[in-house]
This record gives sequence, C-alpha cells and structure tokens, in this order.
Amino acid sequence: DGGITQSPKYLFRKEGQNVTLSCEQNLNHDAMYWYRQDPGQGLRLIYYSQIVNDFQKGDIAEGYSVSREKKESFPLTVTSAQKNPTAFYLCASSILVNQPQHFGDGTRLSIL
Amino acid sequence: QKEVEQDPGPLSVPEGAIVSLNCTYSNSAFQYFMWYRQYSRKGPELLMYTYSSGNKEDGRFTAQVDKSSKYISLFIRDSQPSDSATYLCAMSAGGTSYGKLTFGQGTILTVHP
Repeated sequence: DGGITQSPKYLFRKEGQNVTLSCEQNLNHDAMYWYRQDPGQGLRLIYYSQIVNDFQKGDIAEGYSVSREKKESFPLTVTSAQKNPTAFYLCASSILVNQPQHFGDGTRLSIL
Repeated sequence: QKEVEQDPGPLSVPEGAIVSLNCTYSNSAFQYFMWYRQYSRKGPELLMYTYSSGNKEDGRFTAQVDKSSKYISLFIRDSQPSDSATYLCAMSAGGTSYGKLTFGQGTILTVHP
C-alpha cells in the first residue's frame, strides 16, 4: 500500500535534548512538507522540500531543522532551541507543488 | 486578521441532516481549494479538491467556491455518525507559492445517531 509513514507515534523530549521525527513515503512524490498542529490553530508550515537536497523554511522554522538526502525521506529534528515543542507534527507529500497534499498520521511530541 | 477564517464550532447534528461547513479568506490570489477530514489522532485526509470558482460533487459531498465573495463551502448530505471528525479547509495561490497551503482552524463536527 502506498502512503506516508511517520514514526514514532508518540515521543517525549527532555529539556535540552534534540529529537528527530521520521517521515517516509513510497508514493514517488517529489515534494514533502512538515506541519505543526496546535489546538485551535490549524496547521502551520515548518519546512518544505521540492526536490532532493533542497528545502526551504516555512512560516515557523525557528528551532527546527530538516534534511532531504533521499526522495522517500524527510526527517525533522526538533532542537533544544524550540522552546515550545509540545504539538502534533504532520508530514505531507505531493506529486508536484500545487497538487493536493497527502498526510501521514502524525507524531505527538510532549515534554518530560 | 487571519488569511483564512473557519468557524471552529463545535457543530452537532442528528444523523441524516445536511451539514454546511464554511471558510472565508482574504487573499485574492488563492486559486486552489481543498477540504480535509481529520479523525482524532490521525492525519488529515483529502476529501475535495477544486480549482477556481464553481461546484464539485463527490457522493454525499459537494464543494462550492465563490471567488468573488472569497467564500468556500462544503456540504455533507445524509450525514452519518462516521462523518464525525474535524474538517479543515485549505487553499493555495499556485504559481511560485511552492504549493504552500494555508489552513483554516478546523470545524469539529459530531453527527449523533
């Protein structure tokens, strides 16, 4: 089955720690995205990548980093510089930009 | 003022009712309009995708776009308890906007038997 796999489903971070969220897709999509979802605020774009080895900041990139070494993979690192990391993180992909985006089932990050 | 406004609800209706979900927006450059359904603890699932103004129907779902009024709607006919979810509108400008989607806050819908 084609789709987007995010892991882990739940993640806990200690103060001062960096954590990495995994996103893998087997849809052969070129574009991939990371969003953050907070209650009552909809989804906000963190980073996006249109092709391998290229990515751009979204609206709320501070405290986050990404890499795109393979077409299938777009991991997100939440660094210790992100002071309010507790949220639901969603990865998405699309065939090309301006095509509908398809989402994974998210990772819920909490602070210990 | 947010670029996209969506009534967060919550909205509670009896089974079989017609549901109307709405979003207004301020950016006249938006050309692509989407509705997503999100169940609890899951990712959003694409329901409808439309380009520019007009109507699009898919089974019990109808999406309407009125660009002159900067207003989009999703209608659900014969609503079912399985339709209970959060509904998100999303839109993008196209062109060089790299496919960035701007989302509404989501409307929580409950359909009770």
